[in-house]
Amino acid sequence: EDKVVQSPLSLVVHEGDTVTLNCSYEVTNFRSLLWYKQEKKAPTFLFMLTSSGIEKKSGRLSSILDKKELSSILNITATQTGDSAIYLCAGGNNNNDMRFGAGTRLTVKP
Amino acid sequence: NAGVTQTPKFRVLKTGQSMTLLCAQDMNHEYMYWYRQDPGMGLRLIHYSVGEGTTAKGEVPDGYNVSRLKKQNFLLGLESAAPSQTSVYFCASSPWMGSSPNYGYTFGSGTRLTVV
Repeated sequence: EDKVVQSPLSLVVHEGDTVTLNCSYEVTNFRSLLWYKQEKKAPTFLFMLTSSGIEKKSGRLSSILDKKELSSILNITATQTGDSAIYLCAGGNNNNDMRFGAGTRLTVKP
Repeated sequence: NAGVTQTPKFRVLKTGQSMTLLCAQDMNHEYMYWYRQDPGMGLRLIHYSVGEGTTAKGEVPDGYNVSRLKKQNFLLGLESAAPSQTSVYFCASSPWMGSSPNYGYTFGSGTRLTVV
């Protein structure tokens, strides 16, 4: 059965810290790994990764995929209180289905 | 540009009642999905559709039915609500994977359903 596991489940840091969120996946006919940020309502798309070793970057956020290890990390540098959210990782297959992990709840304290 | 719109946003049902959640998208997306989100469980796929007139079961389909009579709408029905169906429900849509290099989903804002 396909599964996606995220760690840690929750994390509390202070502004300015750097955090690394982890995602491991077992997805049949794997196609891509996606990261979403969920604040109060709908998840919003951050990154889609399809190739190993190529870092995707958006401001202070970056992510990379390791297909050999079946994993991905999401890094956030110089965290701000606005980064507080649940970060969801999802593994997509060739049928456009996505299996989501349980999420990492990040709290950034001032 | 509305994106994905879900109605209602909140609902309280009594055990055994029925209801329909409506999802509408204006992006001409082929694929539509219904997820439920429970604490510590992430998003779990209930049913999905790969085009008008088609539906398929996801990870947790029991107790739910769906219909996609029009491309832009995807309905989720609960025939006889149970307390275990208390959850936040999200609808999402995406283009056909071959039409876009980025087929990340666009989510609706969610429906919080409580069954008492």
